[in-house]
Amino acid sequence: GENVEQHPSTLSVQEGDSAVIKCTYSDSASNYFPWYKQELGKRPQLIIDIRSNVGEKKDQRIAVTLNKTAKHFSLHITETQPEDSAVYFCAHSGGSYIPTFGRGTSLIVHP
Amino acid sequence: NAGVTQTPKFRILKIGQSMTLQCTQDMNHNYMYWYRQDPGMGLKLIYYSVGAGITDKGEVPNGYNVSRSTTEDFPLRLELAAPSQTSVYFCASSPLLRSRAGEDTGELFFGEGSRLTVL
Repeated sequence: GENVEQHPSTLSVQEGDSAVIKCTYSDSASNYFPWYKQELGKRPQLIIDIRSNVGEKKDQRIAVTLNKTAKHFSLHITETQPEDSAVYFCAHSGGSYIPTFGRGTSLIVHP
Repeated sequence: NAGVTQTPKFRILKIGQSMTLQCTQDMNHNYMYWYRQDPGMGLKLIYYSVGAGITDKGEVPNGYNVSRSTTEDFPLRLELAAPSQTSVYFCASSPLLRSRAGEDTGELFFGEGSRLTVL
């Protein structure tokens, strides 16, 4: 099955700093690479995704980059704000089309 | 659209009791999933379905059962509840996207979650 590894498990930054979370995957069958944000006590929600016909996608302060050769994709958050504090999950499906989630990264943004 | 609706939001069970978590989606998605999330942990797949009448086990299926009689509904049944099943349960759905490049999954839409405590 698909193997998705996510690092780091915890990331602590000062407000205004940048944050980067990385995921590696094993099965290249799926071309879909999403990132989800889960605020405390809430459901996970998609914040950005990319398909493998492009290498980077930006949406205001967040971006996702994809390196298909190295089989990894990363979430970049610039100018972090306290409301960015949450758990972030990457996911990838592989050939089964069933998403496997990374273990999550707890991002803490200190004011 | 209501999206994915799951009930109940909270439930306390005694050891050995049974219950069903209900999940309904109104987006006509092919794929539906049940995940559990333990405190501070990630999402573990319990069961999934790729369409009405088709279900399959995920990573942690023991102690659970599912059915998918319609596209909209995907209930999760807990038989003989155990303390180890104390968790937050999320139902989710996603479309199967077809393009010139072939088939692939799309965004997962989650329900609000059901917090289950087994005492």
